[in-house]
Amino acid sequence: GNSVTQMEGPVTLSEEAFLTINCTYTATGYPSLFWYVQYPGEGLQLLLKATKADDKGSNKGFEATYRKETTSFHLEKGSVQVSDSAVYFCALSEGSWGKLQFGAGTQVVVTP
Amino acid sequence: DAEITQSPRHKITETGRQVTLACHQTWNHNNMFWYRQDLGHGLRLIHYSYGVQDTNKGEVSDGYSVSRSNTEDLPLTLESAASSQTSVYFCASSRSTGNGNTIYFGEGSWLTVV
Repeated sequence: GNSVTQMEGPVTLSEEAFLTINCTYTATGYPSLFWYVQYPGEGLQLLLKATKADDKGSNKGFEATYRKETTSFHLEKGSVQVSDSAVYFCALSEGSWGKLQFGAGTQVVVTP
Repeated sequence: DAEITQSPRHKITETGRQVTLACHQTWNHNNMFWYRQDLGHGLRLIHYSYGVQDTNKGEVSDGYSVSRSNTEDLPLTLESAASSQTSVYFCASSRSTGNGNTIYFGEGSWLTVV
């Protein structure tokens, strides 16, 4: 079956540091890949997505590239802010029906 | 603005009681989902529906049921609440418009079973 593996957290960074969160997946077909973000006490929001190999998703300074050869979708941001403190979830879906398979989530804490 | 709302946002119930969590979306989405979020597990799919009168079991469906009598609502029922069902529950919805369609989440319902 499909699965998503994320690096464990928490990840603690200083403001303006570079952030990378690793995500790898296993899938039988050609999934779409997503990063969702959850701020404290809130639901999940879509951060970015990529629907085919070599696509790069980007939003709010975050980027992730769909790497089929390494089955990875690592999230990066060049300079984090305190407001980026949240839990980040990598997820995949196959087909058009929208069922998502999530990783366990990575908590990111950014300190001033 | 269209949205997805869950109620109640917080509930404490006793073991053995029946509990229903409501989910209502105004986007006219065909697809609706219920997930539970637990530390170390991320979000796991409980039940999902692709349209009116359609319901399907997800990864962790035991002890839960759903019904879809209209497009807007997908209530989640815990038939006999257990302490293992203490969790945060998220409802979500999406269109059926092809690969990679975005899923939108509600703000969550915190359920404690004592």
